[in-house]
Amino acid sequence: NAGVTQTPKFQVLKTGQSMTLQCAQDMNHNSMYWYRQDPGMGLRLIYYSASEGTTDKGEVPNGYNVSRLNKREFSLRLESAAPSQTSVYFCASSEPALEQFFGPGTRLTVL
Amino acid sequence: GNSVTQMEGPVTLSEEAFLTINCTYTATGYPSLFWYVQYPGEGLQLLLKATKADDKGSNKGFEATYRKETTSFHLEKGSVQVSDSAVYFCALSDQADSWGKLQFGAGTQVVVTP
Repeated sequence: NAGVTQTPKFQVLKTGQSMTLQCAQDMNHNSMYWYRQDPGMGLRLIYYSASEGTTDKGEVPNGYNVSRLNKREFSLRLESAAPSQTSVYFCASSEPALEQFFGPGTRLTVL
Repeated sequence: GNSVTQMEGPVTLSEEAFLTINCTYTATGYPSLFWYVQYPGEGLQLLLKATKADDKGSNKGFEATYRKETTSFHLEKGSVQVSDSAVYFCALSDQADSWGKLQFGAGTQVVVTP
């Protein structure tokens, strides 16, 4: 099993450009999450999807949108990237209230 | 709201030394507590967890006990190895939140030297 996969692994954008981070899981989990990791701040929740067809804002949703495409896939979109969005982005999945499984991360730099 | 505070790093140790990473929490309800580990270049993986007061989680020689009276969940290992070099995150999940969203501490980097 691949678990949670993320693409791309690395990305460099210019301010104002848009992009979509892709996430897929093969564990048949209902819940999926997007986090960002910044030095000294741990992981902060951007958006989550409790089940297929639903999405909700987390702690730091501004500047992002998400789509729960189906049960397997949960994408994160930056419509107009800003330098403050330079970060490492992690996708995770779980059954509700159980252990979360994380992908390997996407390292994004916005110039 | 809920929050997690853990000791700042980096923590540098020699191989076979004793490791303690302090973690304290603030929660309005009765949280579940977790330690996640992140090895270089990888995502996070669950190390251990405890779901109620006085529970002890353990895995790979690491232990942590859920102490409600001190609102703490300190991570310990008796004899570390170089392969334990990683970033360790303490986290909580409010059991009143049925979707299990995690609140993370800032992370503590541990460096073990031969």
